[in-house]
Amino acid sequence: EMVLTQSPATLSVSPGETVTLSCRASQSVSTNLAWYQHKPGQAPRLLIYGESTRATGIPARFSGSGSGTEFTLTISSLQSEDCAIYYCHQYNNWPSLTFGPGTKVELK
Amino acid sequence: QVQLVQSGAEMKKPGASVKVSCKASGYTFVGDGISWVRQAPGQGLEWLGWISPYNGITNYVQKFQGRVTMTTDTSTNTAYMELRGLRSDDTAVYYCARGVRPIDFWGQGTLVTVSS
Repeated sequence: EMVLTQSPATLSVSPGETVTLSCRASQSVSTNLAWYQHKPGQAPRLLIYGESTRATGIPARFSGSGSGTEFTLTISSLQSEDCAIYYCHQYNNWPSLTFGPGTKVELK
Repeated sequence: QVQLVQSGAEMKKPGASVKVSCKASGYTFVGDGISWVRQAPGQGLEWLGWISPYNGITNYVQKFQGRVTMTTDTSTNTAYMELRGLRSDDTAVYYCARGVRPIDFWGQGTLVTVSS
């Protein structure tokens, strides 16, 4: 079974900092990986897909990189509204699509 | 704009069934699949499966095979997810979402609580 591991579990940051979130796959997912932002009580929002393509309306401070088994989501100049849980999601291993456990980004 | 509007919260007893609806608007319903994802309290996201409104083809996660049925009604642009034999660990927020590779837009979620 395809397993996604995210690190760290929680990130405490100050506004304006650059944060880097990691997602590791137990086997190669090529570039079939997406990142979602999820705030309490809201629907998840697609940020990045195909490894590095920003979804419509997503600010340029969000960027993604990686392929195969190692992926990174970078948030430059973090804003308070970016506090959320971030999930990576692989859609390569059809039909067993999986999500990572999430990284919580909170303000210090 | 794309909208996926889901039915309201449900409270069910163990062993019962629940059927959640998801009404789509703002795009061509038959042009994209509908995925169903759930999130149990304090847990991460779990993909249940997918249906193509175009031809009705479904793919379910093996874990839910035999308990879940996904359907669509193209006359009303509505997708449905029925889960049978409910257990307490089925308590979760259930989301419908457009697409599958990747999922690009999500409904607001439906809380399903299973309790005796």
